[in-house]
Amino acid sequence: TQLLEQSPQFLSIQEGENLTVYCNSSSVFSSLQWYRQEPGEGPVLLVTVVTGGEVKKLKRLTFQFGDARKDSSLHITAAQPGDTGLYLCAGAPLGNTGKLIFGQGTTLQVKP
Amino acid sequence: KAGVTQTPRYLIKTRGQQVTLSCSPISGHRSVSWYQQTPGQGLQFLFEYFSETQRNKGNFPGRFSGRQFSNSRSEMNVSTLELGDSALYLCASSLVSYHEQYFGPGTRLTVT
Repeated sequence: TQLLEQSPQFLSIQEGENLTVYCNSSSVFSSLQWYRQEPGEGPVLLVTVVTGGEVKKLKRLTFQFGDARKDSSLHITAAQPGDTGLYLCAGAPLGNTGKLIFGQGTTLQVKP
Repeated sequence: KAGVTQTPRYLIKTRGQQVTLSCSPISGHRSVSWYQQTPGQGLQFLFEYFSETQRNKGNFPGRFSGRQFSNSRSEMNVSTLELGDSALYLCASSLVSYHEQYFGPGTRLTVT
């Protein structure tokens, strides 16, 4: 069974703090995506990483794909209340088609 | 370009009834995937359709079924509803299977 484990599951921090969310698996993925979901809405794609070791930045968010393409991290610098939401990682397994594997998600609350 | 739309947004049904949910993908997207999201299980893959053919199926009972029409619009049906079917049902479209997914706002189904 291919699993993506996210940690931590819950995170409550003050505005201005930094944080890192991890997404780990024993399986290799051809690509990995990060989404953010706000209450009452569907997830919104933030980034896709494809190459082992790849780092992508989106304003204060930094995404990294592990060298072996089994794990990824999301780092937020100087978090703001607008960053509050559910963060989901999703991987496309090697050799599989049409089925993304989603992590359980990390609920982030940024207090002003 | 219009996003993914889902109807209805909210639905209340009683046990034993059946329900049909509808999804209109982004224009030009031929892949439509359905997911069930609950607080306890997270986001779970139901099935994926591409050009009217079901290409992948998750681990859900046969009560859950779907179809895709020639215009890429998709429907999913749940028969003999159970209390445990209460969830947010999300539809996502993409150009290519398991590529970047664009989610609709979801249908919140409550079974009483």
